[in-house]
Amino acid sequence: EIVLTQSPGTLSLSPGERATLSCRASQSISISYLAWYQQKPGQAPRLLIYGTSSRATGIPDRFSGSGSGTDFTLTISRLEPEDFAVYYCQQYGGSPLTFGGGTTVEIK
Amino acid sequence: EVQLLQSGAEVIKPGESLRVSCKGSGYSFTSYWISWVRQMPGKGLEWMGNIDPSDSYTKYSPSFQGHVTISADKSTSTAYLQWSGLKASDTAIYYCARHMDISSYYAAFDYWGQGTLGTVSS
Repeated sequence: EIVLTQSPGTLSLSPGERATLSCRASQSISISYLAWYQQKPGQAPRLLIYGTSSRATGIPDRFSGSGSGTDFTLTISRLEPEDFAVYYCQQYGGSPLTFGGGTTVEIK
Repeated sequence: EVQLLQSGAEVIKPGESLRVSCKGSGYSFTSYWISWVRQMPGKGLEWMGNIDPSDSYTKYSPSFQGHVTISADKSTSTAYLQWSGLKASDTAIYYCARHMDISSYYAAFDYWGQGTLGTVSS
């Protein structure tokens, strides 16, 4: 099983700042099989990024993904008020599919 | 418009059974895998297993293998998650989600159901 470790657990930032979220895998993942999701309280997760760096439909370009091998990053270039949420990475290239533990981006 | 509509919240007694449904609409139901994801209170996302609705082929996470059953009814475009012998620790929100690539197990989840809260309590 591929274990995904997300860091930091919580990121305290102000609107307008840049957010950098990390996802580290216990073994190498093809870049084709890494996704990021956003989840707000009381809502289902929403797909942001798939294939490491492709934005899902309707996702603003302030969200970007990068990485390879075992290290992947989600960057939010300038935080908007609606971006404060929990973010999960997911690998879907191996079985079982797995999620990271999540990073909470909170308002400082 | 693609939608996944899940059944409503349930309160179940320990030892009882639960079945959650997920009805797909706005797309070809048999063309996309459906996964089930658990979220325990205040915790993260856990993949439970998935199904190819075209032939009902299933794969399960080792953590859930033998404890849950995933099925699909092509005639009603509905996927199901069911299990018996529920315990208080099974209290969680259960989501269904569609794989974004046609006929692909190896795909991110582009559409999600609204979630079903299952509460196990005596």
